[in-house]
Amino acid sequence: KNEVEQSPQNLTAQEGEFITINCSYSVGISALHWLQQHPGGGIVSLFMLSSGKKKHGRLIATINIQEKHSSLHITASHPRDSAVYICAALSEYGNKLVFGAGTILRVKS
Amino acid sequence: KAGVTQTPRYLIKTRGQQVTLSCSPISGHRSVSWYQQTPGQGLQFLFEYFSETQRNKGNFPGRFSGRQFSNSRSEMNVSTLELGDSALYLCASSLTYLSPLHFGNGTRLTVT
Repeated sequence: KNEVEQSPQNLTAQEGEFITINCSYSVGISALHWLQQHPGGGIVSLFMLSSGKKKHGRLIATINIQEKHSSLHITASHPRDSAVYICAALSEYGNKLVFGAGTILRVKS
Repeated sequence: KAGVTQTPRYLIKTRGQQVTLSCSPISGHRSVSWYQQTPGQGLQFLFEYFSETQRNKGNFPGRFSGRQFSNSRSEMNVSTLELGDSALYLCASSLTYLSPLHFGNGTRLTVT
């Protein structure tokens, strides 16, 4: 079993829909990152959180430390949100990131 | 403020050769980390440097090495290249290990 599991692996949504991507981890963490990768490779950091909830525009990230679970929500999805979303756990025992396999999101207009 | 710069963008090497990749972090960032991305394994952590010291290393063979200079620029080296080393190599910089990461555009290495 991978230390960081993401679901779903693939997600297709209609423009305007509310989207949720889930991330569960089995390691102890200092923080959890949500990353976005567009075709061509560039990765952008969306959130880094260690507790609670963060919001940036239409994106919301939450984390439940006790349940070892995090979610990324996209409200009013748009075709430009189409990308791969990756969660990564920062191990509490060193500066080592463990990545989920990613969720491929496609938003259709 | 300039972003994270990785050079070169593309490299083609032959099995058995060695390669050096370079990463210039955002000014003021002292933490630089390296990652390998392949279609089969996804993103994997290679190593992380802070103030010229390697603080952590992923599960890669000793052929993969790196270093960080006093100006925080970092290099990674892969010796005795294998076909399986073909990948996108990404570096990221941050102020500290608990700060948001800023990724470079990566170096795409092809080993033939």
